[in-house]
Amino acid sequence: EIVLTQSPGTLSLSPGERATLSCRASQSVSSNYLAWYQQKPGQAPRVLIYGASSRATGIPDRFSGSGSGTDFTLTISRLEPEDFAVYYCQQYGSLPPLTFGGGTEVEIK
Amino acid sequence: EVQLLESGGGSVQPGGSLRLSCTASGFTFSNYAMNWVRQAPGKGLEWVSTISANGGSTYYADSVKGRFTVSRDNSENTLYLQVNTLRAEDTAIYYCAKGFRSSWRGFFDYWGQGTLVTVSS
Repeated sequence: EIVLTQSPGTLSLSPGERATLSCRASQSVSSNYLAWYQQKPGQAPRVLIYGASSRATGIPDRFSGSGSGTDFTLTISRLEPEDFAVYYCQQYGSLPPLTFGGGTEVEIK
Repeated sequence: EVQLLESGGGSVQPGGSLRLSCTASGFTFSNYAMNWVRQAPGKGLEWVSTISANGGSTYYADSVKGRFTVSRDNSENTLYLQVNTLRAEDTAIYYCAKGFRSSWRGFFDYWGQGTLVTVSS
């Protein structure tokens, strides 16, 4: 089983600042099949990034993903008010199980 | 427009059963794998199960194996999750999510709004 560890648990930032979220895998993620999701309170998650670095349809270019192997990063270049949310990484290269990280909350400072 | 609408959740006693449904529209349902993901109150996301596009392959998390059964009716564009022998720790919002591919090896590109299952005596 691939365990995904996200850090930090909470990120306190102001609008306009840059956010850097980390996702570390316990073993290499096959084909870099790593996705990032955003979840706001009371809403379902939505995909932001897949294949470690490809933006999903309709996702603003301030969101970017990078990394390979066991270390992955989601960067939000300039935080907008609507970006304050919880972010999850997920690996879909090995099953079972498909695994999610524990999440990083980006909160307003 | 892709839409996924879950139903069938509710309050049940430990040991009870429910059948969750997810009705899909806006895409060719039979071409894509489908998934169930749950989220306990105040907690993170947990993958539960995946079924391939033709229903021939199914996969489960260890925590639900032997108690939950995933199935689909491609003629009705509907995904199901039969949940049996429910435990308190199964209390969660259950989301259905569309896979990006016909097999399990895809991220989840669309999600429903979820249905709440509460297990309590």
